[in-house]
Amino acid sequence: ETGVTQTPRHLVMGMTNKKSLKCEQHLGHNAMYWYKQSAKKPLELMFVYSLEERVENNSVPSRFSPECPNSSHLFLHLHTLQPEDSALYLCASSQEPEPNYGYTFGSGTRLTVV
Amino acid sequence: ELKVEQNPLFLSMQEGKNYTIYCNYSTTSDRLYWYRQDPGKSLESLFVLLSNGAVKQEGRLMASLDTKARLSTLHITAAVHDLSATYFCASTSGTYKYIFGTGTRLKVLA
Repeated sequence: ETGVTQTPRHLVMGMTNKKSLKCEQHLGHNAMYWYKQSAKKPLELMFVYSLEERVENNSVPSRFSPECPNSSHLFLHLHTLQPEDSALYLCASSQEPEPNYGYTFGSGTRLTVV
Repeated sequence: ELKVEQNPLFLSMQEGKNYTIYCNYSTTSDRLYWYRQDPGKSLESLFVLLSNGAVKQEGRLMASLDTKARLSTLHITAAVHDLSATYFCASTSGTYKYIFGTGTRLKVLA
């Protein structure tokens, strides 16, 4: 139990589907993040939310749409994805601006786009 | 723009041997993090280094930070098979801006 829960663990979707990834943190942190991890690539920061406001959007295609309804929940809405979007999507949380403990990561969602 | 580089990218070592993983970062930062990732799993926080000269140890792993050289090291002492994993370092150029290295895939051979 890491304190950050992601669902689903695995997801297979067609390019025309719409799906959502969910992340929930039970740590009282004030910042939440979405990262993409592809094979043979560094972790890519996608979105950052601080107290439900988006503070970072790293040139992510519009087919990825984040939502943060409150400080404990973060969603990533997916639509019309491409096969190259297949990856491990990691959610993380931290306490900013002085994170003495760094990130706490969720277990990730393994996404396959077919 | 902050860049974080790790080397080596792959490391295969015998049990009982010592080795060091290096993490270089490109801009001024006084924070450095180390994580471990097992295959198919998420990232687990190992060390948080918050000042120049910081050294932290846990079991067979020891991490250090030299902010003047913009270098952190993760030293493995007397490796065991259970240490096989991918190790990531991460630095920050400001609030929320964490940049991860490419990772070092460590395989400890029995």
